[in-house]
Amino acid sequence: GAGVSQSPSNKVTEKGKDVELRCDPISGHTALYWYRQSLGQGLEFLIYFQGNSAPDKSGLPSDRFSAERTGGSVSTLTIQRTQQEDSAVYLCASSLSVQETQYFGPGTRLLVL
Amino acid sequence: QKEVEQNSGPLSVPEGAIASLNCTYSDRGSQSFFWYRQYSGKSPELIMFIYSNGDKEDGRFTAQLNKASQYVSLLIRDSQPSDSATYLCAVNMRVPRDDKIIFGKGTRLHILP
Repeated sequence: GAGVSQSPSNKVTEKGKDVELRCDPISGHTALYWYRQSLGQGLEFLIYFQGNSAPDKSGLPSDRFSAERTGGSVSTLTIQRTQQEDSAVYLCASSLSVQETQYFGPGTRLLVL
Repeated sequence: QKEVEQNSGPLSVPEGAIASLNCTYSDRGSQSFFWYRQYSGKSPELIMFIYSNGDKEDGRFTAQLNKASQYVSLLIRDSQPSDSATYLCAVNMRVPRDDKIIFGKGTRLHILP
């Protein structure tokens, strides 16, 4: 079966522009997670969804970051007015439920010039 | 503060030897424990999960869980150069009104040919 997919795989943008990152989880997975990973660093938790609701938004770095999930499936992470420090790999993962194995997508590599 | 701690390394192990990776966690009520492997430039992938005290073996990998001491280990027997990667420990934690999986920052493992 298909794994977690993310698009775009790479995104180069100019400082101040908005970007939208997309995640398609594994079919039937109710939990969906967004992480950020800077070069050589660990995973930074951003937000997770249980169904369409986000019980934990504590990891979002600022109010420029937002995420939504519709239909219990696809999720989008939006970064407004991008800054150079937003450059990182943005990883999405999904799991059957919040206590179970997370399966990661290939990530979106974001570069803000 | 719910935490998962790992030595960042790098841990250097000769080829053919046993690599031992350790992880400690702060929540005594944690029930689910995961080890992920992440190659440079790639997404994390699950190696093993363990729920019960004791050892769980899968090929060259053995996960060891000691809930009383709040640590989980990963042993890699007959280490190969292809095992060189960052290994992430993940533990479910109970936070107010919710459960979530917390990742450690990872241990870099280098297998010396």
